[in-house]
Amino acid sequence: QSALTQPASVSGSPGQSIIISCTGTSSDVGGYNYVSWYQQHPGKAPKLMIYDVSNRPSGVSNRFSGSKSGNTASLTISGLQAEDEADYYCSSYTSSSTWVFGGGTKLTVL
Amino acid sequence: QVQLVESGGGVVQPGRSLRLSCAASGFTFTRYGMHWVRQAPGKGLEWVALISYDGSYKYYGDSVKGRFTISRDNSKNTLYLQMNSLRAEDSAVYYCARDYSNSIDYWGQGTLVTVSS
Repeated sequence: QSALTQPASVSGSPGQSIIISCTGTSSDVGGYNYVSWYQQHPGKAPKLMIYDVSNRPSGVSNRFSGSKSGNTASLTISGLQAEDEADYYCSSYTSSSTWVFGGGTKLTVL
Repeated sequence: QVQLVESGGGVVQPGRSLRLSCAASGFTFTRYGMHWVRQAPGKGLEWVALISYDGSYKYYGDSVKGRFTISRDNSKNTLYLQMNSLRAEDSAVYYCARDYSNSIDYWGQGTLVTVSS
């Protein structure tokens, strides 16, 4: 199972919006509405930010939103804040009843 | 509150075995599937395995299939990962995590496994 494809890095200024893409195949991202997104700060465990493509867990800011079109999912962060600087990973359930992660995207808040 | 506490990590020689444990508390363990996810130093996340809430089905990533075994003891609220034939590339922080709608809603803090001679 190949990893989902994410940009290695993205950046934005405080207050701006950024989008992180996550490209898979029809056997994972395109085939199921089970795409999730995780935020990971250095030395910390990942934190769930989005599940089922676009649902936010309780306690996650509404500045975070998710969507999907075909085999590509996207995470949008609006109103960027310094605390958003972290690594972000997408994940998808697959047709093999396994899970696959993206390679991760480092978000820098300028 | 949900707590997942991993243990059992350490330094092990290539070809040897190690068993990781994950003690769960703060939720009804028997209602949830559980994952193991690993992260090599400075690298991204890699899904390792999942076990269903009752242990009736188990799935593995290609890189560990046939070498690792996931199991659980619902009477002890504990998840396990038996790792055999360890390789240098298995060196990573191993996270125990709870499944929620085919995502992971809670993660442990991880336990470090280093495979080295």
